[in-house]
Amino acid sequence: DGGITQSPKYLFRKEGQNVTLSCEQNLNHDAMYWYRQDPGQGLRLIYYSQIVNDFQKGDIAEGYSVSREKKESFPLTVTSAQKNPTAFYLCASSIVSDNEQFFGPGTRLTVL
Amino acid sequence: DQQVKQNSPSLSVQEGRISILNCDYTNSMFDYFLWYKKYPAEGPTFLISISSIKDKNEDGRFTVFLNKSAKHLSLHIVPSQPGDSAVYFCAAIDRGSTLGRLYFGRGTQLTVWP
Repeated sequence: DGGITQSPKYLFRKEGQNVTLSCEQNLNHDAMYWYRQDPGQGLRLIYYSQIVNDFQKGDIAEGYSVSREKKESFPLTVTSAQKNPTAFYLCASSIVSDNEQFFGPGTRLTVL
Repeated sequence: DQQVKQNSPSLSVQEGRISILNCDYTNSMFDYFLWYKKYPAEGPTFLISISSIKDKNEDGRFTVFLNKSAKHLSLHIVPSQPGDSAVYFCAAIDRGSTLGRLYFGRGTQLTVWP
């Protein structure tokens, strides 16, 4: 079964701690993306990667970091520098030459 | 600055009637548009798309219309069903850009009541 998995579904973190959200895909897609969703804000792009070992900042990259060491994996680290990290985080992937992005089920991060 | 705008945060429609969701964009380089549907606590799923060379695309109960001169597109759902209740996101892309990214609107919450 091809798809995108994100783990965990719910994540709690104490203020001041870094936390890493997992995203794995077995669709053989080259491009991967991280978005965050807040009420009334829609989907805002954090980082994206079109190829292994390369990635670009999106619209709200401050306080986040990513790596793309493998085609299948694109983990997102929410650092303590992110001022308002509580949100729903979505990972997506696509074929670079295509426009449709496939989304994972999301991770709800809550900072306590 | 928001390049894709969905100015109606919510829409309420009776079952069986037509739902019309609107989307405006500012970037004239956008040449492909997509609609996604999202249920709470789930990832968005692709619904329908349209290329800028067309003005209409239909898929079952869903039709997307594109008016390039007005930089406006709309999604029509006929007939609306309670299961259509979800947040709908409009997205756009400039396929000629090396950035290769989608720009999303803020979404419209559709509620279909019996």
